[in-house]
Amino acid sequence: GDSVTQMEGPVTLSEEAFLTINCTYTATGYPSLFWYVQYPGEGLQLLLKATKADDKGSNKGFEATYRKETTSFHLEKGSVQVSDSAVYFCALSGGGGSQGNLIFGKGTKLSVKP
Amino acid sequence: DAGITQSPRHKVTETGTPVTLRCHQTENHRYMYWYRQDPGHGLRLIHYSYGVKDTDKGEVSDGYSVSRSKTEDFLLTLESATSSQTSVYFCAISETKAGYEQYFGPGTRLTVT
Repeated sequence: GDSVTQMEGPVTLSEEAFLTINCTYTATGYPSLFWYVQYPGEGLQLLLKATKADDKGSNKGFEATYRKETTSFHLEKGSVQVSDSAVYFCALSGGGGSQGNLIFGKGTKLSVKP
Repeated sequence: DAGITQSPRHKVTETGTPVTLRCHQTENHRYMYWYRQDPGHGLRLIHYSYGVKDTDKGEVSDGYSVSRSKTEDFLLTLESATSSQTSVYFCAISETKAGYEQYFGPGTRLTVT
């Protein structure tokens, strides 16, 4: 079946540092790819998405590009803030092996220090 | 924010007792989902619904049942709670299934002692 692998955390950065969280996927067909964010004590919120190869999703300074050739969807931000501290989940949907359901990675916890 | 509420938000119960969690939406979305979140596992799908009285199993459905008698409500029942079901439970909704984002509720923290 379809699966998502993301880098294990926790990741600790200083404010204004560059962020990369790696995500790779295995899927048949042409899935859509997502990044969700979970702030402490809250549910998940959609951060960005991409629905086809070479699409770039972006939101709140975060970006991720759908790379079919490397089956990747890495999350990046040029300058993180303390308020970005959260758990980030990579996910896919619509692959042939997921029955249309969202398949999540295990999450990466980011802590940003002032 | 999508109109999704979950109740209760916190619950402590004893092993062997039945527990029902409720998810309520005001968005009139067709699909509703129940997930559990555990450290080291991310989110795992328990059950989902694709319409009133239409449900299907997810990855970790053993020990759980669901019901959907109205578009807006999706109930998750633990018939006889076990300590392994201690978790945070999230409800989610989506307009369609494949390829579309889901919107999540605030979660219910369940502790089974």
